[in-house]
Amino acid sequence: KQEVTQIPAALSVPEGENLVLNCSFTDSAIYNLQWFRQDPGKGLTSLLLIQSSQREQTSGRLNASLDKSSGRSTLYIAASQPGDSATYLCAVPNSGNTPLVFGKGTRLSVIA
Amino acid sequence: DAGITQSPRYKITETGRQVTLMCHQTWSHSYMFWYRQDLGHGLRLIYYSAAADITDKGEVPDGYVVSRSKTENFPLTLESATRSQTSVYFCASSDSRAGELFFGEGSRLTVL
Repeated sequence: KQEVTQIPAALSVPEGENLVLNCSFTDSAIYNLQWFRQDPGKGLTSLLLIQSSQREQTSGRLNASLDKSSGRSTLYIAASQPGDSATYLCAVPNSGNTPLVFGKGTRLSVIA
Repeated sequence: DAGITQSPRYKITETGRQVTLMCHQTWSHSYMFWYRQDLGHGLRLIYYSAAADITDKGEVPDGYVVSRSKTENFPLTLESATRSQTSVYFCASSDSRAGELFFGEGSRLTVL
């Protein structure tokens, strides 16, 4: 069974800092990996999807990398802003091409 | 507006009552999912559906029933609610089993 771990569970940084969120998974035979953002009391919003054949994906100030062999992904946020404060979750299929299994998330606070 | 909508957004019920949470999507996605989100457990898959009249169990299906008579609707029924089913329930849709997921805003259910 796929297990997804996100470290740290919470992170507080000053505005403008570059930061990295980590995600690890136990079964490397994945179809893709997705990063989501969740604001308090809201649903999840898809940020980036990395196919298994890709090494990274970029969207604006966000860059996600994927290392399947080591079972790791990182989400890099450049020049953080208070509006980036949210919980960030990563998710991978349970095995191959199956519904997503989620990590418990990293709660990010960016202090102005 | 196109998207995925859940109703009700908030529901309080009593132990033993039947509750149905509704989910409607306008993208014509073939796949729909129900997750529950709890502190300490994160998001867990309850049921999913690949198409009308095709449903599959997820990680925590006990106590829940789903149906999918139309592609756009995927209701989740708690036939006899228990306190352990107090949670936030999220519906999601995708064009494939492990494709990019689009979430609703969630339904917060409290069972007294």
